[in-house]
Amino acid sequence: DTAVSQTPKYLVTQMGNDKSIKCEQNLGHDTMYWYKQDSKKFLKIMFSYNNKELIINETVPNRFSPKSPDKAHLNLHINSLELGDSAVYFCASSWGLQSTGELFFGEGSRLTVL
Amino acid sequence: GESVGLHLPTLSVQEGDNSIINCAYSNSASDYFIWYKQESGKGPQFIIDIRSNMDKRQGQRVTVLLNKTVKHLSLQIAATQPGDSAVYFCAENGETSGSRLTFGEGTQLTVNP
Repeated sequence: DTAVSQTPKYLVTQMGNDKSIKCEQNLGHDTMYWYKQDSKKFLKIMFSYNNKELIINETVPNRFSPKSPDKAHLNLHINSLELGDSAVYFCASSWGLQSTGELFFGEGSRLTVL
Repeated sequence: GESVGLHLPTLSVQEGDNSIINCAYSNSASDYFIWYKQESGKGPQFIIDIRSNMDKRQGQRVTVLLNKTVKHLSLQIAATQPGDSAVYFCAENGETSGSRLTFGEGTQLTVNP
């Protein structure tokens, strides 16, 4: 019954590795997002997809590559992980663009890079 | 640049008291505001939203007040309960922000029994 689910919930890995986080929403929304939350709880948007099309791509290193196979899924692949990538990554979804609507967030994926 | 921020990073209240969490925004073109609650280990959850053509909106035990003159937003929680302990974020989407929400820094609310 989880509306926005992301896996894994926890991820501990070494610097230089490549890892992926998956996200799925069963709400029928057409827009999905990835947010990064740092240690100070600051939430910053990374990417947004609307019907599988990239519409927001913030200043994020190109080591981060989102992929949306269909409008219910948005995955995040990270290459050559760095210490500064340690954070909690949240997937979210909404009806249309987030300008006037509620975002539904997943539970987060805590990434720790050693 | 444009930003949304909070006056206080932490707020501690007694159970049963009313809580007020403040938020200042700098984008005068903002026309939609939203409050989220994030409990420990979970994702943010919607609490209440308000459009710029309103100055007050009430929900269940929560009220959001918007003062566009001073670009200030507040969330009032009545009869605060231990379950209200969480980090609270305000967010806005002004015209210049495009199709995205800009989140404030968050306020940690602690409710003491």
